[in-house]
Amino acid sequence: SQQGEEDPQALSIQEGENATMNCSYKTSINNLQWYRQNSGRGLVHLILIRSNEREKHSGRLRVTLDTSKKSSSLLITASRAADTASYFCAVRGSQGNLIFGKGTKLSVKP
Amino acid sequence: DTEVTQTPKHLVMGMTNKKSLKCEQHMGHRAMYWYKQKAKKPPELMFVYSYEKLSINESVPSRFSPECPNSSLLNLHLHALQPEDSALYLCASSQVWEGIPEAFFGQGTRLTVV
Repeated sequence: SQQGEEDPQALSIQEGENATMNCSYKTSINNLQWYRQNSGRGLVHLILIRSNEREKHSGRLRVTLDTSKKSSSLLITASRAADTASYFCAVRGSQGNLIFGKGTKLSVKP
Repeated sequence: DTEVTQTPKHLVMGMTNKKSLKCEQHMGHRAMYWYKQKAKKPPELMFVYSYEKLSINESVPSRFSPECPNSSLLNLHLHALQPEDSALYLCASSQVWEGIPEAFFGQGTRLTVV
C-alpha cells in the first residue's frame, strides 16, 4: 500500500477550537491532497500541496508537508459544527487514481 | 460545470438481479474512476478509464462490469452480486495530466444487496 495511517482516527472538539489531523505516506510524491466527506456522500477536494511546498493556506485550512518524514497535517482553525465530516489525505497513483489514507472522523460539537 | 452526476442515489437489488450504475461529467476530463467504499473505510479503487480505455482493474470480481461508452459517461453493470458487495459506489473524474491532479467525485450510489 502507498498509504500509511492517518491519526487520529476520530477527533471530537468544541466549536471554535482548532482541529489537527495527520497523514503519513510511503512513497515519493509530486503532491498530496486532502478531501472531505460528509456522512455517506461524495468526496470534495479541499486543498493540494506540492512536494516543493512546506505549507499552504486556504481560508481556515492550513496544510503542511514534510517530505523527509513522508507526512502531512491538516489544521482547521476556529472549527464550526458544519466542519463535522471525515477527512482523507490522498496521493496519486501511477494511473492517476487517488490512493486514500484511512481518514479522520471529525465531530465538532456546537 | 464542475459536477459529476451519479444515478441512482440509492439501489436495492436481489442477488439474481442485473442493474447498472451511471456516472456523467461534462468537464472534459479524460480519466474516470469507480471506487467502492465500505462503512468507516476509505474509498478503494475498482476501475480506471483513461481516454475511454480501461487502464486499471484492481482484481475486481467479474460480477462488476465497467463500461465507458464515451468521454462523458461511465457505467458499472452489476450482476449476481453478493450481500458483501453492499457499499457506497463512487464515481470520480480528473484530468489525465498530473499537473492538475484534483479529482471530482459524484455523490455516490448507496447499494444494498439483499
